[in-house]
Amino acid sequence: EVLLAESGGGLVQLGGSLRLSCAASGFSISNYWMTWVRQAPGRGLEWVANIKQDGSEKHYVDSVKGRFTVSRDNAKNSLYLQMNSLRAGDTAVYYCARLWNGGEIDYWGQGTLVTVSS
Amino acid sequence: DIQMTQSPSSLSASVGDRVTITCRASQGISNYLAWFQQKPGKAPKSLIYGVSNLQSGVPSKFSGGRSGTDFTLTISSLQPEDFATYYCQQYNSYPITFGQGTRLEIK
Repeated sequence: EVLLAESGGGLVQLGGSLRLSCAASGFSISNYWMTWVRQAPGRGLEWVANIKQDGSEKHYVDSVKGRFTVSRDNAKNSLYLQMNSLRAGDTAVYYCARLWNGGEIDYWGQGTLVTVSS
Repeated sequence: DIQMTQSPSSLSASVGDRVTITCRASQGISNYLAWFQQKPGKAPKSLIYGVSNLQSGVPSKFSGGRSGTDFTLTISSLQPEDFATYYCQQYNSYPITFGQGTRLEIK
């Protein structure tokens, strides 16, 4: 069974940092692009970042470029999102998800909540 | 950036109804269009990819279609578990973008 489990969310101060993790089981992430999607409270879904199987290619939404870094450790079957210079607008539930074939999301994690407070 | 505009934003329907949600792309996205279902407090669930292909395990009551730059999600014979929020997404080009969502409520 494919499972994705995010962790690392919590309350952080404005301008602070947080590192999210996503542990995968039931498949090897080394074979897949992976993605992060977020959802602010009461709002819609927003794509955050994609990373290629070997980490050689990464893409970000403009609002997080230069502040967030997506990475992966295929040996640990885990995906990460390092978030720096956090803003109030980064408050959201962050989901990791698997991409397959042409870039479609097939499996989602349950999400982890990040709250940025002043 | 490609804007995805969903309509309607909310929809009331009865059990047994057939409903259609539309998503319009501001530019061409080929067939790189997906649909997701999300229930309150839960992670999204993938329903359809490539305009009309059902994800594994998704019942055939869900179907996707296209007319030009308009994409549709049709749900037939609504059941209580189908009342949720639905999102479209284009993954043709970066930045990947989602529609604003359509909330499907019980009438």
